[in-house]
Amino acid sequence: DVVLTQTPVSLLISLGGQASISCRSSQSLVHSNGNTYLHWYLQKPGQSPQLLIYQVSNRFSGIPDRFSGSGSGTDFTLKISRVEPEDLGVYYCLQRTHNPDTFGAGTKLELK
Amino acid sequence: QVQLKESGPGLVQPSQTLSLTCTVSGFSLTSNSVHWVRQPPGKGLEWMGGIWGDGSTDYNSALKSRLSISRDTSKSQVFLKMNSLQTDDTAIYFCTKPYSGFNWFAYWGQGTLVTVSS
Repeated sequence: DVVLTQTPVSLLISLGGQASISCRSSQSLVHSNGNTYLHWYLQKPGQSPQLLIYQVSNRFSGIPDRFSGSGSGTDFTLKISRVEPEDLGVYYCLQRTHNPDTFGAGTKLELK
Repeated sequence: QVQLKESGPGLVQPSQTLSLTCTVSGFSLTSNSVHWVRQPPGKGLEWMGGIWGDGSTDYNSALKSRLSISRDTSKSQVFLKMNSLQTDDTAIYFCTKPYSGFNWFAYWGQGTLVTVSS
């Protein structure tokens, strides 16, 4: 199975600051069709995960441009600029290129 | 609009079988896939498996021997059955659906907590 390694495990950020989360894959996430199925989610306390970024760098509907995704192959990054209180929670990367789908272990974003 | 809602017993005894239902609305099961994802308390997310629009299924190999996913399209329901439950199967169980036939899970149910305990 593909292992997604997320770092850091937790982040302490001041309001208005910037956060960067890394997601590294044990193998390339480029599908045979040329697409890269690496997505990012935020799970707020007591809630279901919500989709932020799909296919590496595309913001889902309603997601502010403070969130951006980048990367390729095995190395991916989620950046959150101008952190706001509603950004707090656990961030997960998910790969759906290889079966089975696998999630990273999560990165908890907390306020400093 | 698209909605998914999980239901099932909150408590299951060890070695017994878990049966969960995901009731959906706002889309057709015959042209969309629905998947199950679980999350042990305080831990990360695990994809369990899914059922595709044509009725075919896909399972996480780690659970395949214990897991079955089926559906009733007339009732807009997807079912999860998992046998031989142990305490480490205690988790919140979510059903989720990709966006409009694409690859990314965009819609999630609220989740249902299942505790395995005697």
